[in-house]
Amino acid sequence: GDKVKQSPSALSLQEGTNSALRCNFSIAATTVQWFLQNPRGSLINLFYLVPGTKENGRLKSAFDSKESYSTLHIRDAQLEDSGTYFCATGYQNFYFGKGTSLTVIP
Amino acid sequence: AQTIHQWPVAEIKAVGSPLSLGCTIKGKSSPNLYWYWQATGGTLQQLFYSITVGQVESVVQLNLSASRPKDDQFILSTEKLLLSHSGFYLCAWRFGGAGAETLYFGSGTRLTVL
Repeated sequence: GDKVKQSPSALSLQEGTNSALRCNFSIAATTVQWFLQNPRGSLINLFYLVPGTKENGRLKSAFDSKESYSTLHIRDAQLEDSGTYFCATGYQNFYFGKGTSLTVIP
Repeated sequence: AQTIHQWPVAEIKAVGSPLSLGCTIKGKSSPNLYWYWQATGGTLQQLFYSITVGQVESVVQLNLSASRPKDDQFILSTEKLLLSHSGFYLCAWRFGGAGAETLYFGSGTRLTVL
C-alpha cells in the first residue's frame, strides 16, 4: 500500500477562503517536507518539519510523528496558490504522496 | 548560493533510441543527489540516489541507469528507450547528514518517447 497518503486528491477553493491538506504516513516518519508543484513542473519548497509546527505567511504546517500525520493549512487562498501540493518523508529514500491538486477560483 | 541545472529541458525521442539526461549542482561540495520520475499527473518516484562520486544506489530501475562521474554531476541514461519512459525527470540534491533532509529540485526534463 501507499506509504504516504494525501487527502483530498483535489480541491477547489474560492479566493480568500481557508483549507487544510493532510498527509498520513504508514511508515515511521521523523521529518516531513511539503512542496508545491507549479503548472510548469517546478517544485517549490514550502516546509521542512520535525515534529511541531511552522508558519510562513498564509501557510502553516504541523507534523505529529506519534500519530503519523502532517497538515498544511492555507489561509486566505490566492490565485497563485493553485498547483499540486506534495508531502514527502524519508532520509535517503524519500516517499511522496500522490498530491493534492488545488485550484483557486476568483 | 547553490544552483541546480538540468539538461535538456525537453526531449522527444524514438522507442529504442538511447537517452542521456544530466544534472549539475554548483555551490555545494559533496551533495547527496537524486533522480526522480513523474508520470503525467502522478506522484514522484525516486529512481536513484548517490552520496558520493562513483557510488549510485538504485531504488527503482525502470530499465534506466545512473552514474555520478564528478562530485557535482549526476547522469541518467539508457541504451534503449521504452514508451513507458515518457514523463518528467527531476534531479534533486540535499546536504549530507542527518537533520538536513530538505530536498531541492531542478526544473526538470520533460521526455516524450514516440
